[in-house]
Amino acid sequence: QQPVQSPQAVILREGEDAVINCSSSKALYSVHWYRQKHGEAPVFLMILLKGGEQKGHEKISASFNEKKQQSSLYLTASQLSYSGTYFCGTEYAGTYKYIFGTGTRLKVLA
Amino acid sequence: DAGVIQSPRHEVTEMGQEVTLRCKPISGHDYLFWYRQTMMRGLELLIYFNNNVPIDDSGMPEDRFSAKMPNASFSTLKIQPSEPRDSAVYFCASSLAALEREWGTDTQYFGPGTRLTVL
Repeated sequence: QQPVQSPQAVILREGEDAVINCSSSKALYSVHWYRQKHGEAPVFLMILLKGGEQKGHEKISASFNEKKQQSSLYLTASQLSYSGTYFCGTEYAGTYKYIFGTGTRLKVLA
Repeated sequence: DAGVIQSPRHEVTEMGQEVTLRCKPISGHDYLFWYRQTMMRGLELLIYFNNNVPIDDSGMPEDRFSAKMPNASFSTLKIQPSEPRDSAVYFCASSLAALEREWGTDTQYFGPGTRLTVL
């Protein structure tokens, strides 16, 4: 039932782009994205509601494809500060359930 | 605002002992969540409250775990008796309701977590 994120881990050079996917087997009501640095609490990045909308936050943007039950997080021109583990948090349609994805570890090298 | 406050930050206890974790949400927030994070299982939702009422506790592992929210500014997660497999980081998070939607939450603000070690 837990949303599956891909890739599990990715290593980038500063300035490179990356895409992180979050796929669910059930209909999604909304998707939240969080970043967690080692030893710290997760920090909210953005929320997407059903309707295929796309949002952006500086050089990080995301899309939500309701039909595919999938959300993607796009990191453009990555910076060292982007390193961490990214989680999608999903609210399922028709329920009050809130479940985090499996996580993607991202490391940006200088 | 000070953000979500959790105590203690670290707890080391012996198997069989009772453990109580505490959380003070951000003032005015409608929702309070308890999560457990381990390397093996990732970030798991244990239980969440809306206006002090438990909404979904299906993530609570077993009867040894219980959570209460006696008022809008305080919640506890209790483990009795504790076992070594309960060792994890426990996060509390709070949020406002998503006003433009029928249900759901807005941004979740996480506390710093409590690192629990059960020997």
